[in-house]
Amino acid sequence: DGGITQSPKYLFRKEGQNVTLSCEQNLNHDAMYWYRQDPGQGLRLIYYSQIVNDFQKGDIAEGYSVSREKKESFPLTVTSAQKNPTAFYLCASSILAGGETQYFGPGTRLLVL
Amino acid sequence: DQQVKQNSPSLSVQEGRISILNCDYTNSMFDYFLWYKKYPAEGPTFLISISSIKDKNEDGRFTVFLNKSAKHLSLHIVPSQPGDSAVYFCAAGSNQAGTALIFGKGTTLSVSS
Repeated sequence: DGGITQSPKYLFRKEGQNVTLSCEQNLNHDAMYWYRQDPGQGLRLIYYSQIVNDFQKGDIAEGYSVSREKKESFPLTVTSAQKNPTAFYLCASSILAGGETQYFGPGTRLLVL
Repeated sequence: DQQVKQNSPSLSVQEGRISILNCDYTNSMFDYFLWYKKYPAEGPTFLISISSIKDKNEDGRFTVFLNKSAKHLSLHIVPSQPGDSAVYFCAAGSNQAGTALIFGKGTTLSVSS
């Protein structure tokens, strides 16, 4: 059953702590994306990757880091430098880079303790 | 500076009537446009798209209209159903490699029975 999985569904972060959100896809898509959703803000692009071992910053990359060591996986680390990390994080993928139809995972809600 | 704007944060419609969601864009270089539907605490799901060379695309109850001269597109849902109640995001994309979709802030549709 193909799709995009994100884990965990809920994640709690303590002040000064780095946390990593998982995103895996078995759709054989080349491109993967991370978005952040805040109330009234829509979807804002954090990072995206067109191919393994390559990624580009989106509109709000500060305080975040990513890696793309495998085609199927695009983990996002929320670092302690991100001062307002509480949000709903969405991972997506598309067949090719260039903004084609993207398919989204179920999301991870990050809360700061 | 928003390239994709959804100026109505919310829309309320009665069951069976038509829902019209609007979206404006500023960049005439976009190659296609998409609509996504999102329920709370879930990832967006792709609904319908339209190429910039077309002015209409229809899929069941959903029709998207594109007016390039006005840089405006709209999503029509007929007839509206209570299950259509969700947040609808308009997105625009380019065929240029290395680009990502640009999303509007969303419109919350409420369909009452």
